[in-house]
Amino acid sequence: EPEVTQTPSHQVTQMGQEVILRCVPISNHLYFYWYRQILGQKVEFLVSFYNNEISEKSEIFDDQFSVERPDGSNFTLKIRSTKLEDSAMYFCASSSETRAEQYFGPGTRLTVT
Amino acid sequence: AQSVTQPDIHITVSEGASLELRCNYSYGATPYLFWYVQSPGQGLQLLLKYFSGDTLVQGIKGFEAEFKRSQSSFNLRKPSVHWSDAAEYFCAPSGAGSYQLTFGKGTKLSVIP
Repeated sequence: EPEVTQTPSHQVTQMGQEVILRCVPISNHLYFYWYRQILGQKVEFLVSFYNNEISEKSEIFDDQFSVERPDGSNFTLKIRSTKLEDSAMYFCASSSETRAEQYFGPGTRLTVT
Repeated sequence: AQSVTQPDIHITVSEGASLELRCNYSYGATPYLFWYVQSPGQGLQLLLKYFSGDTLVQGIKGFEAEFKRSQSSFNLRKPSVHWSDAAEYFCAPSGAGSYQLTFGKGTKLSVIP
């Protein structure tokens, strides 16, 4: 069964450093998403991406964040200058249509020290 | 404002007992509705979905959910719980005109052997 994959599974970085989280969505899906889950809190939407542009973003997704689909398979989330409060589990998801069920990857645990 | 509520933070049931996890939503129009499960250290797995039509929907792992428009609820049920069902369960509506899922705070299920 096709699945969403994410790399790395765990990333440790120092405050102020740039990080790139990578995702490979399900191959025939057209909509891509990033969510995050701070430890002990609920899953929060960050951004959705379709047709090579952002279709929706939350207040969390400020200028420090960016997304890109650099090729036909990868979908990335970049945090330009990490802060301690960016420490969280970041989930990538994809769907075949808008508002269809979203399939999630296993997540990348980001730890900012 | 759109919101979702899972009133029960933690539920403990005995193996073989029935289960009902509550979800209430507040949206202007009936949203699409999803239940996801997250096992410790794992990603989010889709259990079932409701878009329209039959108000009782079947999902994976023997779960079902019933949509009740009059109560703005979408409760998750299972007739007989297995020890492997111990996990955290999230209700996640998706509103009209939106790409994002809005996750509830989750209900943690513990199963007593």
